[in-house]
Amino acid sequence: SQTIHQWPATLVQPVGSPLSLECTVEGTSNPNLYWYRQAAGRGLQLLFYSVGIGQISSEVPQNLSASRPQDRQFILSSKKLLLSDSGFYLCAWSEGQGYGYTFGSGTRLTVV
Amino acid sequence: AQKVTQAQTEISVVEKEDVTLDCVYETRDTTYYLFWYKQPPSGELVFLIRRNSFDEQNEISGRYSWNFQKSTSSFNFTITASQVVDSAVYFCALSALANQAGTALIFGKGTTLSVSS
Repeated sequence: SQTIHQWPATLVQPVGSPLSLECTVEGTSNPNLYWYRQAAGRGLQLLFYSVGIGQISSEVPQNLSASRPQDRQFILSSKKLLLSDSGFYLCAWSEGQGYGYTFGSGTRLTVV
Repeated sequence: AQKVTQAQTEISVVEKEDVTLDCVYETRDTTYYLFWYKQPPSGELVFLIRRNSFDEQNEISGRYSWNFQKSTSSFNFTITASQVVDSAVYFCALSALANQAGTALIFGKGTTLSVSS
């Protein structure tokens, strides 16, 4: 069966520090991968999506970047965090449109 | 453009009441998929249902039911005899071929449901 792992679960980082959140999927190959952010009390905003290794599309201009170094690995990064980067980050995967989307357990990031 | 609107920001009910969560979507595509997710206080997203644009049959799963009406572009979710454990944020989402973000889900802003005993 397919599983998705996301870590860490919580993170407190100072402004200006770097960030690296990792997401891995098991039990499938060539998944579509997504990063979403949920700001406090708000909906889910799509940040990045990837349909293959090295293929990253960004939805919203921001202080973050994403990379897909391996088929089932998706990394969210920042060189210098801003206060506005605080939020709940969710990774998800899908086999494609019409299939289900499975979400990781999320990372709660607080930038102080 | 693809868009999902959940006009109800917060709903409060007492246990055993029925409650309907509204969802209105916009898409120019003829092939699309609609979803509902539940987000309990722990934060993870729990999949509830997926419906494709060619299937307008209503669906019932236990206390949950969904009413899909293409004529009004709505995909409403009803919980019958609500329970305290139903308290959560509920998201409606859309996936359309014409979506510039590939197959990504576009979410509504969510409805926070509070069920009191």
